[in-house]
Amino acid sequence: AQSVTQLGSHVSVSEGALVLLRCNYSSSVPPYLFWYVQYPNQGLQLLLKYTTGATLVKGINGFEAEFKKSETSFHLTKPSAHMSDAAEYFCAVMVTHQAGTALIFGKGTTLSVSS
Amino acid sequence: SAVISQKPSRDICQRGTSLTIQCQVDSQVTMMFWYRQQPGQSLTLIATANQGSEATYESGFVIDKFPISRPNLTFSTLTVSNMSPEDSSIYLCSVRRAGKSTDTQYFGPGTRLTVL
Repeated sequence: AQSVTQLGSHVSVSEGALVLLRCNYSSSVPPYLFWYVQYPNQGLQLLLKYTTGATLVKGINGFEAEFKKSETSFHLTKPSAHMSDAAEYFCAVMVTHQAGTALIFGKGTTLSVSS
Repeated sequence: SAVISQKPSRDICQRGTSLTIQCQVDSQVTMMFWYRQQPGQSLTLIATANQGSEATYESGFVIDKFPISRPNLTFSTLTVSNMSPEDSSIYLCSVRRAGKSTDTQYFGPGTRLTVL
């Protein structure tokens, strides 16, 4: 079965520091992978996605992620954290099931940014 | 992308009652999904609602508790029946836009439900 695992439920960085949020996937077929962000009391916003093609994917707000098949990873990075990046981040994989396809989410990582 | 609205945005309900959540999309979509996000938790898929067919429920979710309607390609409802405090969650509607290398799910703002 396809699944994602997010390592670290809580990550804290200083403003201007590198952000690294880890995601590993399990899939027997080429996966479609996604990162979403959820700000407090809001819905989910798509940050970026990998479907096919280039393995380094750039998203909104300066985030990017690299699909590494050999490591079964899709880690999210940002060179310099901003206070506004504080939020909950979810990694997800698109799975195929009886009704079609749907996203299955990791447990999420809370990013805190201090000044 | 897709613009998704949900009603109500939040509600406080008494145990034993039912609440129907509406989801409206700005354009036609084939696949719609309902997710639950319990406090401090990730999202769990409740069911997939394709227009013209019965909803498909994930393990742990049943139609009697979470009946779903999908009358057309832009609208769906989820009812939370005979509520208990354990049903207190955020319920999110989601739609899929599929295309060549552009398969993506978009989410509504969610309905925050508190059951007393």
